[in-house]
Amino acid sequence: SQELEQSPQSLIVQEGKNLTINCTSSKTLYGLYWYKQKYGEGLIFLMMLQKGGEEKSHEKITAKLDEKKQQSSLHITASQPSHAGIYLCGAPLGAGGTSYGKLTFGQGTILTVHP
Amino acid sequence: DAGVTQSPTHLIKTRGQQVTLRCSPKSGHDTVSWYQQALGQGPQFIFQYYEEEERQRGNFPDRFSGHQFPNYSSELNVNALLLGDSALYLCASSLGGVGTDTQYFGPGTRLTVL
Repeated sequence: SQELEQSPQSLIVQEGKNLTINCTSSKTLYGLYWYKQKYGEGLIFLMMLQKGGEEKSHEKITAKLDEKKQQSSLHITASQPSHAGIYLCGAPLGAGGTSYGKLTFGQGTILTVHP
Repeated sequence: DAGVTQSPTHLIKTRGQQVTLRCSPKSGHDTVSWYQQALGQGPQFIFQYYEEEERQRGNFPDRFSGHQFPNYSSELNVNALLLGDSALYLCASSLGGVGTDTQYFGPGTRLTVL
């Protein structure tokens, strides 16, 4: 089983709709990163969450970290075709979070936005 | 401000051959991490270089090796290529003293092994 599980695996929405992607860890979360990837390309950093209850927003994307549930959620408001891509969560899952940059990633969520 | 760059973009090799991939970190970064991403999967950590030494390694065989140069650029070498090594290889750079510093990724090198 995956140490970081993302759900759903894929998502198809109509432009303008809101959506949420979840990332659940089997280990204690000391921080969590969200990235976006276009197929076959590199990862684009979206945001980093470090503390339980922390919430960050960038344009129409909001991410929250729930340390107790060992879970993070990424919410997109009023989706646009430009939001389409693969969303990946990544976290340092070493003991105490001291993995010195070894990030473990979820399998990704493929988002399609129909105009 | 130049981001992370990787070369080559694409590469085709045959089984048993050796390959070298290159990465230049983002300006001001001193740490380079390498990841392998198979189709439909999340990236898997290969290893990380800091101060020209391998600081941490994932579950990859010794066929995977690397190097970091004094200018912080890095190479990933894979020997005795297998079909299963076909993947997107991603390089990420960060500021090394802090373990949880944000990693910024390059565009990747697509390796195909025939």
